[in-house]
Amino acid sequence: GQNIDQPTEMTATEGAIVQINCTYQTSGFNGLFWYQQHAGEAPTFLSYNVLDGLEEKGRFSSFLSRSKGYSYLLLKELQMKDSASYLCAVLDSNYQLIWGAGTKLIIKP
Amino acid sequence: ETGVTQTPRHLVMGMTNKKSLKCEQHLGHNAMYWYKQSAKKPLELMFVYSLEERVENNSVPSRFSPECPNSSHLFLHLHTLQPEDSALYLCASSQEWSANTGELFFGEGSRLTVL
Repeated sequence: GQNIDQPTEMTATEGAIVQINCTYQTSGFNGLFWYQQHAGEAPTFLSYNVLDGLEEKGRFSSFLSRSKGYSYLLLKELQMKDSASYLCAVLDSNYQLIWGAGTKLIIKP
Repeated sequence: ETGVTQTPRHLVMGMTNKKSLKCEQHLGHNAMYWYKQSAKKPLELMFVYSLEERVENNSVPSRFSPECPNSSHLFLHLHTLQPEDSALYLCASSQEWSANTGELFFGEGSRLTVL
């Protein structure tokens, strides 16, 4: 079966750095996505990785290792507004999105 | 105007009621989706429409009935639901379905409570 694993919840301090991991086992791979979802709001697209390596976008970076079936989302200079759930999803060989259960990130002052 | 709009935002219904959820997208996309989001579970894809034709139906109970009258509107008709159907129902759209790039645009969801 297809599976995406990510931690259920993480806590970090304002101004610090946090890394949210995602491991996957899917039938084929056509890219990995990270979405952010604030409580009571729509999920919004954060990043897309299809090749190995690090993609940086401001305070957020996303890393992919296809051989290890592994990705992480790195958030720097954390702000209170970064408190949200972060969803990892993989586009499989049929171009269907397989979703993880999400990681709830709590930022403390 | 936001890209994907869902109404109502909150809905409480009894098990014998009939209600509908509505989704409208203003992005000119050709594919629309219904997802179910339950606490601490992955998003569950329920239905996919591409150019107003249903292309995916992931073993969803018949008490959920989708309707796509045109490429901008999507409905989810609900009848004789069960308490375990209580969840957040998310509508999303994407440019295409068959060549899905994976970037979905979501509405804010309809929070459904079944008593």
